[in-house]
Amino acid sequence: GAVVSQHPSWVICKSGTSVKIECRSLDFQATTMFWYRQFPKQSLMLMATSNEGSKATYEQGVEKDKFLINHASLTLSTLTVTSAHPEDSSFYICSAIPGTSGSGEQYFGPGTRLTVT
Amino acid sequence: QKEVEQDPGPLSVPEGAIVSLNCTYSNSAFQYFMWYRQYSRKGPELLMYTYSSGNKEDGRFTAQVDKSSKYISLFIRDSQPSDSATYLCAMSAGNMLTFGGGTRLMVKP
Repeated sequence: GAVVSQHPSWVICKSGTSVKIECRSLDFQATTMFWYRQFPKQSLMLMATSNEGSKATYEQGVEKDKFLINHASLTLSTLTVTSAHPEDSSFYICSAIPGTSGSGEQYFGPGTRLTVT
Repeated sequence: QKEVEQDPGPLSVPEGAIVSLNCTYSNSAFQYFMWYRQYSRKGPELLMYTYSSGNKEDGRFTAQVDKSSKYISLFIRDSQPSDSATYLCAMSAGNMLTFGGGTRLMVKP
């Protein structure tokens, strides 16, 4: 149980284009999902908290107009990187919390590797 | 000072060894403690989840939490080459996780 999927697993796009990444909880409902970014040999950096039916909460320094988050249902959150640039190339990982748990038990997706050329 | 400190390693051990991974933290509000395993280019996998102080065992893995010392540990018995990965400690007072920097473990056959 507690499986989270991401699609695509790997994407290459040209500078200036937009890319959408999907995060799905497959066997549970998730009121809250999170989006992280990870650089090589570094830990996860929280970008934003995605809440079903409401606006996402972005961490300090994360451009909300560049990283659009939509949590349209209890099993799906999407991250759209708009007008991507090479510096946006990174490993993006989502996570989800089952139900409305306040215990920090997060389950992570397999990640999406974005390369902007 | 970071809220959660974790030795980055790399830690190299022979197959069959007992591995000890540790994290220290400064925020006394943390009450949920987790260990994640992350293989290269994959998302983190939840290994152990504990609440408050004490021990928890699951197969070859044992997690220990000492809230009085603000110290948590993960022990891996009979380590295998397949255990080679980065291990992340994480902790929270609610839904938001605070991660350690990760320890890279290499188990040599």
